[in-house]
Amino acid sequence: QQQVKQSPQSLIVQKGGISIINCAYENTAFDYFPWYQQFPGKGPALLIAIRPDVSEKKEGRFTISFNKSAKQFSLHIMDSQPGDSATYFCAASYSWGKLQFGAGTQVVVTP
Amino acid sequence: AAGVIQSPRHLIKEKRETATLKCYPIPRHDTVYWYQQGPGQDPQFLISFYEKMQSDKGSIPDRFSAQQFSDYHSELNMSSLELGDSALYFCASSSRFDRGRNEQYFGPGTRLTVT
Repeated sequence: QQQVKQSPQSLIVQKGGISIINCAYENTAFDYFPWYQQFPGKGPALLIAIRPDVSEKKEGRFTISFNKSAKQFSLHIMDSQPGDSATYFCAASYSWGKLQFGAGTQVVVTP
Repeated sequence: AAGVIQSPRHLIKEKRETATLKCYPIPRHDTVYWYQQGPGQDPQFLISFYEKMQSDKGSIPDRFSAQQFSDYHSELNMSSLELGDSALYFCASSSRFDRGRNEQYFGPGTRLTVT
């Protein structure tokens, strides 16, 4: 059973647009929420992460919004570029534990 | 910056054979995690080690075993391989001195194909 639910499954956005991916979790023991970017045949690359005591974190064009009461968090990719076309995974963990991933979102940025 | 190293990058084995996957974590990282990723799926946790001791175990078949050595590298041993074991296997490493951020950095993976 997927402990982290991710949507949408796929997303097409025009160059310069905003990509938004949403995740929801149930286990309130989770205290670390990263996002990973993965290109075909490559390892997941850590993009940005947040802890539940913060409601928003921005790094460059990537922003995480976190809603602790709703147990939801989202990734916003601003000014999307063709090079951003990849699969994005949200994840959750507690302390130094295993990452539990969402099912992934395939993002395609059209020129 | 140094990254996680995995070897081999590709491995082709026949059913019932054995395979050994190796992982060299980022220098000064003390924790290693193994994940399995099937086609079109998210990575699934197999097992982890902290300071050479097993720290957690996921849905790892009994046919698989792993250990972390004194130099912190880790090996995943897979026996009696089945067709369903064909997947990408990733190793990730982290440091518990990262003030609880649990930043796990993934290697490039080993693509295992069982024929």
